[in-house]
Amino acid sequence: GAVVSQHPSWVICKSGTSVKIECRSLDFQATTMFWYRQFPKQSLMLMATSNEGSKATYEQGVEKDKFLINHASLTLSTLTVTSAHPEDSSFYICSASQGVEKLFFGSGTQLSVL
Amino acid sequence: GENVEQHPSTLSVQEGDSAVIKCTYSDSASNYFPWYKQELGKGPQLIIDIRSNVGEKKDQRIAVTLNKTAKHFSLHITETQPEDSAVYFCAASSTGNQFYFGTGTSLTVIP
Repeated sequence: GAVVSQHPSWVICKSGTSVKIECRSLDFQATTMFWYRQFPKQSLMLMATSNEGSKATYEQGVEKDKFLINHASLTLSTLTVTSAHPEDSSFYICSASQGVEKLFFGSGTQLSVL
Repeated sequence: GENVEQHPSTLSVQEGDSAVIKCTYSDSASNYFPWYKQELGKGPQLIIDIRSNVGEKKDQRIAVTLNKTAKHFSLHITETQPEDSAVYFCAASSTGNQFYFGTGTSLTVIP
């Protein structure tokens, strides 16, 4: 199957700093990428849908100024958690669409904000 | 919008036994139903999927069944092994682009 690379896999930062997470489709072009947040023992919560070359579409309740998404190319989308606080600590996962019914996930990023 | 419910939330089985996870969906327009396996600290991986024009699909020890009338679909794992232990998510989609996920089932296979 197609490979989606997500980095970093684990990051610890101080409160107030910003953290950038990268999501890359390694062997295919992804016009659409998705970002999710997952709390322990819970399901995936869709945060936003990212389309290459256009602004991301955020789900209700997700602060777009807090979670900046940039889909600059067909193989790269980034999520920047700005001015991170302890409540932003979570597991963040991206996915990339290779086409209809072809959704592949990254390996996730565990963010811990001290 | 679509609402996907998944049961049970946790499941423990003895090695070699079968495991069954069930999901229901609400939107009759949904026509694609993938299942994902998520191991600890990793992203979900697609293990099997089924489309609405098929009632059952099998891939070695894994099978999925779909009942369109009742709007439910199930994952069946036979001859379970310890490495099957993970969290399993079902999903439903009507467009093939927007996916709605179930709440997950934590499967533990006891050696």
